[in-house]
Amino acid sequence: EPEVTQTPSHQVTQMGQEVILRCVPISNHLYFYWYRQILGQKVEFLVSFYNNEISEKSEIFDDQFSVERPDGSNFTLKIRSTKLEDSAMYFCASKLGLTDTQYFGPGTRLTVL
Amino acid sequence: QKEVEQNSGPLSVPEGAIASLNCTYSDRGSQSFFWYRQYSGKSPELIMSIYSNGDKEDGRFTAQLNKASQYVSLLIRDSQPSDSATYLCAVILFFSGGYNKLIFGAGTRLAVHP
Repeated sequence: EPEVTQTPSHQVTQMGQEVILRCVPISNHLYFYWYRQILGQKVEFLVSFYNNEISEKSEIFDDQFSVERPDGSNFTLKIRSTKLEDSAMYFCASKLGLTDTQYFGPGTRLTVL
Repeated sequence: QKEVEQNSGPLSVPEGAIASLNCTYSDRGSQSFFWYRQYSGKSPELIMSIYSNGDKEDGRFTAQLNKASQYVSLLIRDSQPSDSATYLCAVILFFSGGYNKLIFGAGTRLAVHP
């Protein structure tokens, strides 16, 4: 069964460093998302992406964040200068159509020291 | 601010019992509702979706939706220790252009004891 994959599973970085989190959505899906979950808190929407552009972003998704679909398979989230409060699980999700179910990847645990 | 509310729990039930999980939402225009299960340190895993008022059954799981009361519930029959997890209620929120995103509740932690 097709699934969303994410790499790395765990990323440790120093405050101020740039990180890139990678996702491979399900191959025929058209809509892509990033969510994050700080330990013990809700899953929060960050950004949605369709047709090679951002369709919506939350107030969390400030200028330090960017997303890209560099080729036909990968979907990346970049954090330019990480802060301690960026430590969280980051989940990628994808879906086929506008009203379809979102399928989540296994997540990347980001630890900022 | 559109909200989804759940009791954090833990909800503790004996093995074999029915677990009842509840969720309320604030956006009266919401049309699509989801229950996800999340094990500690793992990603949300879809259990059920429901779009119409009433009940929807899938195996041991029944989702119930009451749009007038803005209330969604999940019943788990014959609860097993492997059902012990956090159950997330999620609602689709639409924005301009027809695009949408999921709004999650904080989750209810379920503990099924032998």
